[in-house]
Amino acid sequence: AQSVTQLGSHVSVSEGALVLLRCNYSSSVPPYLFWYVQYPNQGLQLLLKYTSAATLVKGINGFEAEFKKSETSFHLTKPSAHMSDAAEYFCAVSRNEKLTFGTGTRLTIIP
Amino acid sequence: KAGVTQTPRYLIKTRGQQVTLSCSPISGHRSVSWYQQTPGQGLQFLFEYFSETQRNKGNFPGRFSGRQFSNSRSEMNVSTLELGDSALYLCASSLGLPNPRINTEAFFGQGTRLTVV
Repeated sequence: AQSVTQLGSHVSVSEGALVLLRCNYSSSVPPYLFWYVQYPNQGLQLLLKYTSAATLVKGINGFEAEFKKSETSFHLTKPSAHMSDAAEYFCAVSRNEKLTFGTGTRLTIIP
Repeated sequence: KAGVTQTPRYLIKTRGQQVTLSCSPISGHRSVSWYQQTPGQGLQFLFEYFSETQRNKGNFPGRFSGRQFSNSRSEMNVSTLELGDSALYLCASSLGLPNPRINTEAFFGQGTRLTVV
């Protein structure tokens, strides 16, 4: 079965600092991997996706993620945090159109 | 292009009642999936429909059911509501392909917040 593990349920960074949210996956076949963001009382918004075309994936709002097969990781990064980045972030793996989500990481931005 | 529309946004029901939630996918999308989000269990997959057929089902009791219409709109029904069914129910729409092994991007609606009292 495919799964993802997100390390750190809460991450705090200062405004302007690097954002790093960790995700490790478990999959016996090349995975479809996604990062989603959720703002309070909202649905999920797709940030970026990995579908084996390129290992470095650029998404919306300045986020990017690098697929590392040797480390089974797909960490999300942003060079400079903005106050508007405060939200919950979910890593997910897809199989047969079924998304399996990690437990989420709540990102807090310190002014 | 309109996004995924879920109705209603908020719902309060009493234990033992039943409820129906609605989802209108993005135009042209044929796959609709439903997820339950709770603080304790996180995001869990309920089921996926493609061309009016349920292709995949999560580990939920039979009280949870769904259907998809010919225009791809979907409904989810929960019968005999329990307090533990209180959750945010999210609908996701994707292009969908006959071969489900080719995964397509899922776009989510804003969800229906169900409270069972």
